[in-house]
Amino acid sequence: GIQVEQSPPDLILQEGANSTLRCNFSDSVNNLQWFHQNPWGQLINLFYIPSGTKQNGRLSATTVATERYSLLYISSSQTTDSGVYFCAVERSGGAGSYQLTFGKGTKLSVIP
Amino acid sequence: DAGVTQSPTHLIKTRGQHVTLRCSPISGHKSVSWYQQVLGQGPQFIFQYYEKEERGRGNFPDRFSARQFPNYSSELNVNALLLGDSALYLCASSFRVPYNEQFFGPGTRLTVL
Repeated sequence: GIQVEQSPPDLILQEGANSTLRCNFSDSVNNLQWFHQNPWGQLINLFYIPSGTKQNGRLSATTVATERYSLLYISSSQTTDSGVYFCAVERSGGAGSYQLTFGKGTKLSVIP
Repeated sequence: DAGVTQSPTHLIKTRGQHVTLRCSPISGHKSVSWYQQVLGQGPQFIFQYYEKEERGRGNFPDRFSARQFPNYSSELNVNALLLGDSALYLCASSFRVPYNEQFFGPGTRLTVL
C-alpha cells in the first residue's frame, strides 16, 4: 500500500515563530488533506489540496503532486496551534473504495 | 448545519463483549467511512460505505462489521472484544467518492478491560 511519511515527528516552537511541516507520499494520489487533531481527538479539516497552494489566515499549504509531497506552513504560531497535525492521502483501495491513508503526524507544541 | 455526529462519546467494555458504535453523516453526504486510531498513531481505515453499499474494507478481522442505513447513517459493530480494540473510533463523511473532502466526527473512545 501507499506510504505516507511526515516530518518532523515532534516540533516545539516559541509563540510567534513560523514552521513548516512536510508530508511525503510514495505513489500518485487522488487528493490530499491536512488535519489538526485537538487534545480531545477531534480531527479538524485544514486543507483539501490535491495540488497547488491554498491559504487560510496564518496557515497555508502547497502540494506538488508530481514530486509527491505537501507542505503545511504555520506563521506567527499561537498556543492554540498546539496539537497533532496529520496529512492524509486518498487513493483507490480496490473494489471501488477510496480510503484515506494517514501519516503518523507531527506533534506541535507552542510555548508562550 | 450539524457536522458528523457519533455516539456514544465514551464506552467501557470487558473482553469478549460486543459493541455497537453509531454515526450520522453531514446532511446530504452519502458516504461514510470508519477509522480506528490507537494512541500515538494516525487513524487506520476500517470500512467505507457509499449509497448503502460496502465499498472497501481495511485490514481488520471479521469481528468487525458495519452497515449503512437508508438515511445514510451507519453502525460499526465489533464482536468478541479484545484488549487491543481499545482505541478512538472515528467516522468520516463525504458527499461522494472519490475526489471529495472527508469530514470527521468527534469519535467514540472505547476502552476494553
